[in-house]
Amino acid sequence: DAGITQSPRHKVTETGTPVTLRCHQTENHRYMYWYRQDPGHGLRLIHYSYGVKDTDKGEVSDGYSVSRSKTEDFLLTLESATSSQTSVYFCAISESQGQGALDEQFFGPGTRLTVL
Amino acid sequence: QKEVEQDPGPLSVPEGAIVSLNCTYSNSAFQYFMWYRQYSRKGPELLMYTYSSGNKEDGRFTAQVDKSSKYISLFIRDSQPSDSATYLCAMNLAGANSKLTFGKGITLSVRP
Repeated sequence: DAGITQSPRHKVTETGTPVTLRCHQTENHRYMYWYRQDPGHGLRLIHYSYGVKDTDKGEVSDGYSVSRSKTEDFLLTLESATSSQTSVYFCAISESQGQGALDEQFFGPGTRLTVL
Repeated sequence: QKEVEQDPGPLSVPEGAIVSLNCTYSNSAFQYFMWYRQYSRKGPELLMYTYSSGNKEDGRFTAQVDKSSKYISLFIRDSQPSDSATYLCAMNLAGANSKLTFGKGITLSVRP
């Protein structure tokens, strides 16, 4: 397995509380991603990072913010959690293999978040 | 219309059956076509990828791409209970850090 850990693995919280999920990698890969996975929607990109302090929005970024102060850590924050953010969150990493090569994404084990 | 559409499932087959999983896409600029496999309560893992039209075989798995029809398939021969998982198609453009676009996934159950 690629060296990716996510914490916590499970969390139950209440509406309106802030929540931070952590992704940690030991592969020294440049790119990191946060996805959410919901029934009927598949995997959707929330935010991604292309380097330390370099981040950008994905398809479903509203209500989420991210930070990357070190290569190995990528944090996802829900500023004020809502029930619609109940989901399974996956972190992924990749490294550019050069022009014309596949940049495989490796996924972490996921965090199951329930917002009551 | 979403960029990538995948047959919804779920799909249940007996052991030994041939399984066909399919996706269609609308963006003709996609160049890499991937199949990820996701076991229950795990993260997705890359199973196979292809870069061009045609077939690619890996053991019991064959990935097929038809760019003219914007259609990709994954065939599983002699399916096994261990193949029971969710299969997601994904595709992206060429170039560094091109973001993946995923299908919704289909859950396959292979009955012993």
